[in-house]
Amino acid sequence: GAVVSQHPSWVICKSGTSVKIECRSLDFQATTMFWYRQFPKQSLMLMATSNEGSKATYEQGVEKDKFLINHASLTLSTLTVTSAHPEDSSFYICSARDGSGIGSEQFFGPGTRLTVL
Amino acid sequence: DAKTTQPTSMDCAEGRAANLPCNHSTISGNEYVYWYRQIHSQGPQYIIHGLKNNETNEMASLIITEDRKSSTLILPHATLRDTAVYYCIVSANFGNEKLTFGTGTRLTIIP
Repeated sequence: GAVVSQHPSWVICKSGTSVKIECRSLDFQATTMFWYRQFPKQSLMLMATSNEGSKATYEQGVEKDKFLINHASLTLSTLTVTSAHPEDSSFYICSARDGSGIGSEQFFGPGTRLTVL
Repeated sequence: DAKTTQPTSMDCAEGRAANLPCNHSTISGNEYVYWYRQIHSQGPQYIIHGLKNNETNEMASLIITEDRKSSTLILPHATLRDTAVYYCIVSANFGNEKLTFGTGTRLTIIP
């Protein structure tokens, strides 16, 4: 299947700093990428849909000014957690759909574990 | 997206077939059934998806009932590495359609 990578795989930062997470589709172009967050022992929760060349669409309750998403190319989307606080500590996962046609599957990155001290 | 219902947990003996059920009684005509699994601290892994017909690939088989209100994922010869949380998701699957994850089934393969 198609490969999606994330960088970094884990990050520890101090409260108040900003952290950028990259999501790349390695062997396909993705016009749409998705960002999820997963707290311990919980399921994945969709945060936002990232569209290449346009503004991201955020799910209800997700602060767009805190979680900045940029999808500047067909193979790269970035999530920046601004002014991170301990409650933002979580497992962040991106995904990308291989193709825009009906029946295409969505592939997930390995995730980035963020710990805010 | 239609809601899915899965058992919270299941056990299966190593080497046996693991059959994971999923109910999706409110599925719409244009919605596909997707199965993903997530091994601890990793991103979800795509397994299989289908619309109406049964599907098979190198990982698993997907059996969808004729009325499409339920489906079963079959892992034919379960190994210890199949221990994971398995998610059944229905989605209209257009290019930017999102996937909504439920709580999934925690499958434990027992030696």
